[in-house]
Order: sequence, then structure tokens, then C-alpha cells
Amino acid sequence: GNSVTQMEGPVTLSEEAFLTINCTYTATGYPSLFWYVQYPGEGLQLLLKATKADDKGSNKGFEATYRKETTSFHLEKGSVQVSDSAVYFCALKGNAGGTSYGKLTFGQGTILTVHP
Amino acid sequence: EPEVTQTPSHQVTQMGQEVILRCVPISNHLYFYWYRQILGQKVEFLVSFYNNEISEKSEIFDDQFSVERPDGSNFTLKIRSTKLEDSAMYFCASRTGTSDYNEQFFGPGTRLTVL
Repeated sequence: GNSVTQMEGPVTLSEEAFLTINCTYTATGYPSLFWYVQYPGEGLQLLLKATKADDKGSNKGFEATYRKETTSFHLEKGSVQVSDSAVYFCALKGNAGGTSYGKLTFGQGTILTVHP
Repeated sequence: EPEVTQTPSHQVTQMGQEVILRCVPISNHLYFYWYRQILGQKVEFLVSFYNNEISEKSEIFDDQFSVERPDGSNFTLKIRSTKLEDSAMYFCASRTGTSDYNEQFFGPGTRLTVL
């Protein structure tokens, strides 16, 4: 079945540091890939997505590139801010044919804390 | 901006009791989901619901679980006889139906604690 593996957390950085959160996946066919973010007390929000190989998703300074050859979708940001402190989830939606109702498969989440 | 809401934010119950977790999806959405996250583990898919019936469910979603959309606005998850291992954060989500790629909007979650 489909699965997503994220790097272990928590991650603690100083403001303006470079961020990478690794994500790799296992899936049949051509899944769509997502990063969700959860701020304290709120629901999961879609941060960015990529629906085919070599696509780059980007939003709010975050980027991730769909790498089919390495089955990866690593999240990066060049300069983090205190307001980026949150939990980040990598997820995929299978696309192996047949009826799909949009079920998401998530990684375990990575807690990011950014200090001033 | 429309949002998915969930109540209660925290539910404490005794083992063997029934609980109902409530969600109000965004009003024009057609697909509805429940996920859960046991502390320290992955967010796991439980069930999807479309056109007033379950469209897909996971192995976790056994006979102890049921979902309902009783009045066209609420979407509920019932656990008939809770077990200790049901303690988790439960997330509701919804999306429109125009494309399979449409974003799922998530609620803030209900933390269920079974004692």
C-alpha cells in the first residue's frame, strides 16, 4: 500500500536559517504529493502541492519538488521566521487508476520551532 | 473565510462508552472525511463519505465506528464502545467535488481521551 515517511523531529532553528524537512514516499502509479501545515490550535492547512513528476509546488517562501526518481518531496525554505513554527505533514493521494475519493496518506508530522 | 468546525475540542470518556464527534463541513462541499492521529503517530485515514454513503474506509474503521450526515450540515463520527486505543486526535475534512485534486479543508480536531 501507499506510505509516507518524514524525517524525525522536532526541528529547532534560529530565525533566517535554512529549512529542509525530508519526505519520501512509496506508492503505485503516479500519486499527487502535498505538504500540510498545522499551526497551534488550528486544523491542517494545505501549504503546497505537486501533481506530477518534476512539478515544483511553492507557497509563502516554501518549495518542494516532486522527484519520481528518488520518490521524494522534500520541503525547503531559504529563511524561516518565528511565525513558521508549526507541525508540517507530508501527504500523498494515490492515483493508480480506478475510483478515487481523495483519501490522503500522511507522514507522521515534523514539529518545527523557530527561535528569534 | 469558510472553515470546517469540530466539537467538542476535547472529549474525555470511560472505556466502553459511546461517543459522537461532530463536524460541520464547509457548506458547498460534497466529500467528507475522518482521519485520526494517535499521539506521536501518523495521521491515518478512517473513512470517506459521499452522496450520503461511505465511499471508502480503512481497516481501522470496523463495526464500532459509524458516520452520519443527519441534517445536511453536520457530519458525525460515532464510536459505539470506546477502547483505550481509540484515544487520539480526530480530524474532519471536506472538499468540493469538481476535481479529484481539490484541496481538503481540515477542522481543528477533537482530542478524544478514553480512560
